[in-house]
Amino acid sequence: EIVVTQSPATLSLSPGERATLSCRASQSVSSYLVWYQQKPGQAPRLLIYDASKRATGIPARFSGSGSGTDFTLTISSLEPEDFAVYYCQQRQFWPPITFGQGTRLEIK
Amino acid sequence: EVQLVESGGGLIQPGGSLRLSCAASGFTVSNNFMSWVRQAPGKGLEWVSVIYGGGETYYADSVRGRFTISRDNSKNTLYLQMNSLRAEDTAVYYCAGMPWGLARLDYWGQGTLVTVSS
Repeated sequence: EIVVTQSPATLSLSPGERATLSCRASQSVSSYLVWYQQKPGQAPRLLIYDASKRATGIPARFSGSGSGTDFTLTISSLEPEDFAVYYCQQRQFWPPITFGQGTRLEIK
Repeated sequence: EVQLVESGGGLIQPGGSLRLSCAASGFTVSNNFMSWVRQAPGKGLEWVSVIYGGGETYYADSVRGRFTISRDNSKNTLYLQMNSLRAEDTAVYYCAGMPWGLARLDYWGQGTLVTVSS
């Protein structure tokens, strides 16, 4: 089973700042890495798939990069609605589908 | 527009059984992969089970032998039969649609809360 590890656990930033979230897989998953956003009381929402492709309706300030074992989600300039929990998930070797433990992006 | 609507959650005693439903619209359950994902209170996401378009099923180790995923094509509805429930099964359960057989969860329901407690 592929283990997916996210860092940091919590990131405290201000609106307008740049956010960089990391995700690491225990072995290479090529570019098969997915990012989700979850706001309190809501279901997760697909943000980025295959490491760098934005899902439908996702603003251009969200970008993903990486391949192999190391991946990054970048939010270029934080909007108030971006403060949420972000999860990554590998889809190279499944089942099982494995998620990272999440990064909480909070307002500083 | 794709809509997934879960139902069937509630309070159940340890050892009991519950069946969750996920009614789909704008998305054909029988032609696509569908998963159940759960989230314990204050915790992260945990994948539970998947059913392929061809009917093959897989489970997380934590639920294998106790949970069963199925679907009713005529009702375009996904199910999760949960038996021998434990306190650690307490969570919000989401159904999710996975188009084109890709292991990514494009569409999510709003979730249904299952609480296992005496």
